[in-house]
Amino acid sequence: DAKTTQPNSMESNEEEPVHLPCNHSTISGTDYIHWYRQLPSQGPEYVIHGLTSNVNNRMASLAIAEDRKSSTLILHRATLRDAAVYYCILRGVNRDDKIIFGKGTRLHILP
Amino acid sequence: GAVVSQHPSWVICKSGTSVKIECRSLDFQATTMFWYRQFPKQSLMLMATSNEGSKATYEQGVEKDKFLINHASLTLSTLTVTSAHPEDSSFYICSARVGGYYTEAFFGQGTRLTVV
Repeated sequence: DAKTTQPNSMESNEEEPVHLPCNHSTISGTDYIHWYRQLPSQGPEYVIHGLTSNVNNRMASLAIAEDRKSSTLILHRATLRDAAVYYCILRGVNRDDKIIFGKGTRLHILP
Repeated sequence: GAVVSQHPSWVICKSGTSVKIECRSLDFQATTMFWYRQFPKQSLMLMATSNEGSKATYEQGVEKDKFLINHASLTLSTLTVTSAHPEDSSFYICSARVGGYYTEAFFGQGTRLTVV
């Protein structure tokens, strides 16, 4: 099982960019990098995913290292509503498409 | 985006009774759904994979006779916690996928179960 490693927690000021790192040194060639977040007392919600190229959507950007052994989720302008636990997850054809959650990064936003 | 709805959002039951939690995909058909359990301050733990029309596949250490899963249609999966005990109190979350690993997954809002 390929594992992802994330910092336990991070802090950021409101309205500033946030860079959430994730290491996945044992990623396989068919693994997609997915990010989900969980707000307090809610189910997780999808944020973004990618394979090799950097990706942008209305919520965030995903920067993937050239060797794909690490990635960074970028929130361009954090708001208080972005305070959540962020999970970096690998999904691929060899994983029975199960979504296995690690411990994630708890993001605190300071007003 | 696609919506997954869980019912109820919270439930309190007496020890020894059974509780059923429903997970519905509202605007898409889900051949596969997943059930998770989450204890306070911990991450989500995958309990089982629910496949429409066939038996669920349980993760190691999860008692299949205690956590009954039924996926009778392409839009509904149910989790029944049988003979519930206080240690079964947890946050239960379901997930459904539209496509494969290259697409996003959708999660229900969760069900808070408290066994007294």
